[in-house]
Parts: sequence; structure tokens; C-alpha cells
Amino acid sequence: AQSVTQLDSQVPVFEEAPVELRCNYSSSVSVYLFWYVQYPNQGLQLLLKYLSGSTLVKGINGFEAEFNKSQTSFHLRKPSVHISDTAEYFCAVTDRNFNKFYFGSGTKLNVKP
Amino acid sequence: DGGITQSPKYLFRKEGQNVTLSCEQNLNHDAMYWYRQDPGQGLRLIYYSQIVNDFQKGDIAEGYSVSREKKESFPLTVTSAQKNPTAFYLCASSLPGQGDEKLFFGSGTQLSVL
Repeated sequence: AQSVTQLDSQVPVFEEAPVELRCNYSSSVSVYLFWYVQYPNQGLQLLLKYLSGSTLVKGINGFEAEFNKSQTSFHLRKPSVHISDTAEYFCAVTDRNFNKFYFGSGTKLNVKP
Repeated sequence: DGGITQSPKYLFRKEGQNVTLSCEQNLNHDAMYWYRQDPGQGLRLIYYSQIVNDFQKGDIAEGYSVSREKKESFPLTVTSAQKNPTAFYLCASSLPGQGDEKLFFGSGTQLSVL
């Protein structure tokens, strides 16, 4: 089975500052990794995903993430955040058969003016 | 437009009552999932189905039931055995093996106890 750890439950940051949201996973098999964003009272939207190939993955809204196999991490970054990035972000993992998706507990990003 | 429709958006349950949450997709996806979301706990898998007429328990299936009689529909029943049903419920679907591996989510149903 897989599991995901998001150590930061909340991350406050000022507008136009850089941000990194941390995600670590554990798995005994090869995995696919995802970042989703959730705005209040809505479903989740895909930001980006890592399936194979380049370990640096670029997603929507200027976000990117880097897969680090040795550190079992998939941290999400953005060089300059906007007020509109205020939301909750979830890291997720699934095995190569896509039997189940496992989600972290989420990180609330609060961008302040 | 293709997507996942969950209804109702808000639902209230009385003590001892069963309630059913609807999830319909027109994406022609084989796999469908139900997640429960509680503040600070992320998403936890209740049930999933990878094919019509077949489904498996997730990590927190107790007090819930599902059916998958049609490819496009995966309703979730919250039974009276679920003693703490207040949560945000999310339905999702996917089409693994087609080069676009990801979950598509509905907009959710907020269930509260009266």
C-alpha cells in the first residue's frame, strides 16, 4: 500500500513571494504522483502529475513539482504567488495499476496582500 | 460538456435514516470512486468500482453501501449504521490506461445530521 504525508497543514505567505508545499510518500512499488487544488465547497482540480520521464513537472497556474525518488518527495513550488492561489492543496499517489488513489491530509495556502 | 454531476449539493439526515448521494458521469470512464473529506484529514476512500456490477471496499466502508448497475452511475448510500456521517462527499472517476491517468472530481455533496 501507499501513503502520503503533507507535513504542513497551513502555509501563510505574502503575495508575490515564492512558496513550497511539501509532500512525501511511501510505497514499495513504482508510483504515479499528483497535486490537486481545492477551492472552498468545490471538488478537486488537477494541477499537475508525474507519470514518467523528466522529474520536473510543470502544471497549470505557474505551479511546478519535482519528483525525487531517493527522498520519496514530490514538493510543489511556485516562484510568485497570487491572492487567487489561496486554496487547499492535496498531494496524491497511486500505483501503476491505478487501483486506488491515496491522498495526503492537505495544505491550506493562505496568500496575504 | 463531459463531467461528473453530484446531487444534491446539500443533504440533511435525521437519526436512523438512510440517505443516498447521487453521482453520474458522462465521460465514459470505467472506474468510479467515493471519497469522504473531513477537515484536516484529507480524502479517505469509501468504495471504488473499476467495472460495472463490481465494486470494492475502500479504507472506511463501514456504514456505507454502493451499487454500480450502470457505467455512468455510482450512487452512495449512507446508512443508519454510520454514526458520524457529517462530512463532504466527493465522487470521482478515471479511465486508466488511456494516457490521461488522473481522477476527475464532482463538485461534492455536504451531508449534515439534523
